[in-house]
Amino acid sequence: DGGITQSPKYLFRKEGQNVTLSCEQNLNHDAMYWYRQDPGQGLRLIYYSQIVNDFQKGDIAEGYSVSREKKESFPLTVTSAQKNPTAFYLCASSISTSSSYEQYFGPGTRLTVT
Amino acid sequence: AQSVAQPEDQVNVAEGNPLTVKCTYSVSGNPYLFWYVQYPNRGLQFLLKYITGDNLVKGSYGFEAEFNKSQTSFHLKKPSALVSDSALYFCAVRDRETNAGKSTFGDGTTLTVKP
Repeated sequence: DGGITQSPKYLFRKEGQNVTLSCEQNLNHDAMYWYRQDPGQGLRLIYYSQIVNDFQKGDIAEGYSVSREKKESFPLTVTSAQKNPTAFYLCASSISTSSSYEQYFGPGTRLTVT
Repeated sequence: AQSVAQPEDQVNVAEGNPLTVKCTYSVSGNPYLFWYVQYPNRGLQFLLKYITGDNLVKGSYGFEAEFNKSQTSFHLKKPSALVSDSALYFCAVRDRETNAGKSTFGDGTTLTVKP
């Protein structure tokens, strides 16, 4: 059963703590993405990766970090420097970053920081 | 720069009636255009895309969209709405020549289909 998995579904953290969100895909896709979704604001790109060991900042990368050590995995760390981390986080993948390819999304992780 | 506008936050239709969810875009070059659907507390699912060729694109679940270059629009349509079509719909654009790897999404339109 191919797809993208994100864990956990719900995550609660205290302010000042770093937290890592997991994203795994078994679609053999080269490209992976992280988005943040806030109510009424659509999706905003945090980071994306075209190949292993390479990634680029998206539109709202401040306060976040990523790694891409394996093709299948693209974890996102929300650091204490992120001023408003409470949000719904979506991971996605596509065959490549070539513009014509659609993205496949995971089920999301809802992060609440108090 | 590329951008997408979904001018309606909410669209309400009766079951069995046709539905339209509007999307306009702006890119410096030529666009690739996508529609995605999101059910509550779920990820987005791909519906359809325009790459080139026929301006009328057919996708999943009976949805279709028409690319109109002169009006820079890519409206999503379905001839007969179902209650199960109720969801949040996103339009997305990528510039073919620039911004490789980066899609810009609209803010979403909530579609409600009433029995």
